[in-house]
Amino acid sequence: NFILTQPHSVSESPGKTVTISCTGSGGSIASKYVQWHQQRPGSAPITLIYENSQRRFGVPDRFSGSIDSSSNSASLTISGLKTEDEADYYCQSFDIKNRGVFGGGTKLTVL
Amino acid sequence: EGQLVQSGAEVKKPGDSLKISCKGSGYDFDTYWVGWVRQMPGKGLEWMGIIYPSDSDTRYSPSFQGQVTISADRSIKTAYLQWTSLKASDTAMYFCTRHEEGTLMIDNWGQGTLVNVSS
Repeated sequence: NFILTQPHSVSESPGKTVTISCTGSGGSIASKYVQWHQQRPGSAPITLIYENSQRRFGVPDRFSGSIDSSSNSASLTISGLKTEDEADYYCQSFDIKNRGVFGGGTKLTVL
Repeated sequence: EGQLVQSGAEVKKPGDSLKISCKGSGYDFDTYWVGWVRQMPGKGLEWMGIIYPSDSDTRYSPSFQGQVTISADRSIKTAYLQWTSLKASDTAMYFCTRHEEGTLMIDNWGQGTLVNVSS
């Protein structure tokens, strides 16, 4: 089974930069595109990043995505943190049979 | 751009059947996949499965295979998630998602349908 593992939580101060990792196991993270989704409390998720590093229309360039094949991981980096960035972030990809897989989610606290 | 509008919240008893819906508008319903995602109270997102309405090709996560049925009616641009016998553990928010045809990228989310199963 293809599994994506994220840290449970991260915290950082406003204006700083934070990186959220997403490590794959049971398969190569580079074999399928990775997406990142943001979910604010009480709201439906929205898609921020697609195809590993492409920002959806309207997503600020403070958000960037990347993958590292050597560590079999993907990363979401948020620079110039704002209090409005406080949310849960999920990485997501597909297994070899094109069945979706979500990471467990990372709670970002901006304090 | 288009949007996905889901049916309203449901309160059911264990053993009841249920079918919730997700209606697409403002885009060609036949050229996108539609999926379902579960979020149990206080928990993360779980991918359940997707359907291609044009030919009803359906793929389920192993965790949900045999537990639910995903279907679609092209004539009314609506996808469905169905249970034949609900359990208390089915209590969750369910989101429908729109996926691009080639990459299966999620590019749109429904607002969510809350299902509460309690005796």
